[in-house]
Amino acid sequence: NAGVMQNPRHLVRRRGQEARLRCSPMKGHSHVYWYRQLPEEGLKFMVYLQKENIIDESGMPKERFSAEFPKEGPSILRIQQVVRGDSAAYFCASSPMTSGSSYNEQFFGPGTRLTVL
Amino acid sequence: GEDVEQSLFLSVREGDSSVINCTYTDSSSTYLYWYKQEPGAGLQLLTYIFSNMDMKQDQRLTVLLNKKDKHLSLRIADTQTGDSAIYFCAGTAAGNMLTFGGGTRLMVKP
Repeated sequence: NAGVMQNPRHLVRRRGQEARLRCSPMKGHSHVYWYRQLPEEGLKFMVYLQKENIIDESGMPKERFSAEFPKEGPSILRIQQVVRGDSAAYFCASSPMTSGSSYNEQFFGPGTRLTVL
Repeated sequence: GEDVEQSLFLSVREGDSSVINCTYTDSSSTYLYWYKQEPGAGLQLLTYIFSNMDMKQDQRLTVLLNKKDKHLSLRIADTQTGDSAIYFCAGTAAGNMLTFGGGTRLMVKP
């Protein structure tokens, strides 16, 4: 059973370009979470999705950022018109469960390191 | 929302015990977690503790939870050079998302 896969592992963009980050959850997992890790900091929650639904996007910047998890295919985190402050590691995690009161391990991918020149 | 604090850095000698501390503000987290991140890699779940427990031991790892003081610790016995990494504590805030501390960088000297 392959783990959570993210691609690309490294992405370089110039200011103003678009960045698309992909995440394939573990087999059988229907819940995906995106986190951002700025240099020398911990991970910050961005968005939580189920298939075809955004459950919680309270951590997403209001502009330029969007996420989707279609019925078929990977989850996509899209950043439009990137700025230098978007440079960070973006991690995706998946889980099979939804209940906040039950043990709900999130399995993390290796991350995509975005560098904005 | 949840606020999680950790000390930034810890240095120990190989074979000693390491204790990494974490404090949190929101006592509603049902589970509290410890993750390990090696350079350039993702996060690996090390262990977790249910909020109604005080202690959990898993081989070289011991987790202590003091709910009154909202304090969580991770003890690594017989620390090895391969344990050098960044360690994050995390809790589940409202919903399913994890709230992470800033991470403690553990350096193990031979």
